[in-house]
Amino acid sequence: GAVVSQHPSRVICKSGTSVKIECRSLDFQATTMFWYRQFPKQSLMLMATSNEGSKATYEQGVEKDKFLINHASLTLSTLTVTSAHPEDSSFYICSARGYETSGRQNYEQYFGPGTRLTVT
Amino acid sequence: EDQVTQSPEALRLQEGESSSLNCSYTVSGLRGLFWYRQDPGKGPEFLFTLYSAGEEKEKERLKATLTKKESFLHITAPKPEDSATYLCAVRGSGGYNKLIFGAGTRLAVHP
Repeated sequence: GAVVSQHPSRVICKSGTSVKIECRSLDFQATTMFWYRQFPKQSLMLMATSNEGSKATYEQGVEKDKFLINHASLTLSTLTVTSAHPEDSSFYICSARGYETSGRQNYEQYFGPGTRLTVT
Repeated sequence: EDQVTQSPEALRLQEGESSSLNCSYTVSGLRGLFWYRQDPGKGPEFLFTLYSAGEEKEKERLKATLTKKESFLHITAPKPEDSATYLCAVRGSGGYNKLIFGAGTRLAVHP
């Protein structure tokens, strides 16, 4: 299966600062990447969808100026949480779908290991 | 509105005690129903995709089935290493690749 990595796995930042999370597809070309947020014992909530080279599409209720998403290449997307506050503390997970090295389009979403953000 | 409901919320089994997890869904034009396994502090791990009623897929001790309204994840003779949260998600025709997730079933298998 396809491999998606995230960095960092854990991050602690002070209220008011910004933090960047990276999501990389390691063995396929990710034409589409998704960013989710998951609170304890709750399900994954989609925040935004990004296509390589295009602006991200945000879900209703997600502030695009607070959660900046960049998908500049077929292997990398970044999520920047700007002016973070304690209520932004959560588990952020990315997923990706796209083309395998063989050229075959893969419609499945493959998830990264997640990033635990704690804002103090 | 597309919606996914999973039951039970939590399930405790003895090793070897088979059971089933339920995923009920409402979606406009099903484009796939997905099962994932999630371990604590990790991202979801893909298990199965089902596309049409009557379809079944198996992987080791797991078997997923699909009807027009629900999906079941059957676990046969579970082992402690099967303990995890199992997530169900659907993709509909109106959401452009968007997955709608259920809240999950937390499975604990005890020796």
